[in-house]
Amino acid sequence: EAGVTQFPSHSVIEKGQTVTLRCDPISGHDNLYWYRRVMGKEIKFLLHFVKESKQDESGMPNNRFLAERTGGTYSTLKVQPAELEDSGVYFCASSQAGGPTDTQYFGPGTRLTVL
Amino acid sequence: DAKTTQPTSMDCAEGRAANLPCNHSTISGNEYVYWYRQIHSQGPQYIIHGLKNNETNEMASLIITEDRKSSTLILPHATLRDTAVYYCIVRVRGTGTASKLTFGTGTRLQVTL
Repeated sequence: EAGVTQFPSHSVIEKGQTVTLRCDPISGHDNLYWYRRVMGKEIKFLLHFVKESKQDESGMPNNRFLAERTGGTYSTLKVQPAELEDSGVYFCASSQAGGPTDTQYFGPGTRLTVL
Repeated sequence: DAKTTQPTSMDCAEGRAANLPCNHSTISGNEYVYWYRQIHSQGPQYIIHGLKNNETNEMASLIITEDRKSSTLILPHATLRDTAVYYCIVRVRGTGTASKLTFGTGTRLQVTL
């Protein structure tokens, strides 16, 4: 079974440009999460989808970040316009729905560098 | 979610057991203890979780004290590939709705020859 995949693995853009990150969750996982780690900081939660609906977007830093999950399969995270402080590693995770607990499985991350 | 406290770093000789402690003195009755690790720049990897009983799987064992205020992750025979940052996370037990993970600073485990 394929794990969580993310594309691209690395992205280098200039300040003011737009970047779109993609996450493909494990097949059949209704829950999809975005996290990020900026330089020297802890891994922080950004948002959580249940199928195509945003369940929790309390961690989104500002309105330059837009996440979508049309059709409840893959998700995209767009940063527009990118700022220097957006540099970091963006992780996606997925989990199955239901049950008292759910184990989140992470992708390898996308390393974003904003110059 | 309850706050956790872990040592910043630990060393372990290869082949020996690595015991990673975690304090979660404010844990609630409906909160689970999860352990993840991050090897170098990879994505976090799930290790194990538990509520109040000790748990064991192919990767590790989790020992939770009777009062649930602390726990220990045990890697029975550490190898160089176990060098990573280990995160202890306390998380509300879902009631049908999954929830986020709150990462702290973790423990950096260095396994040496």
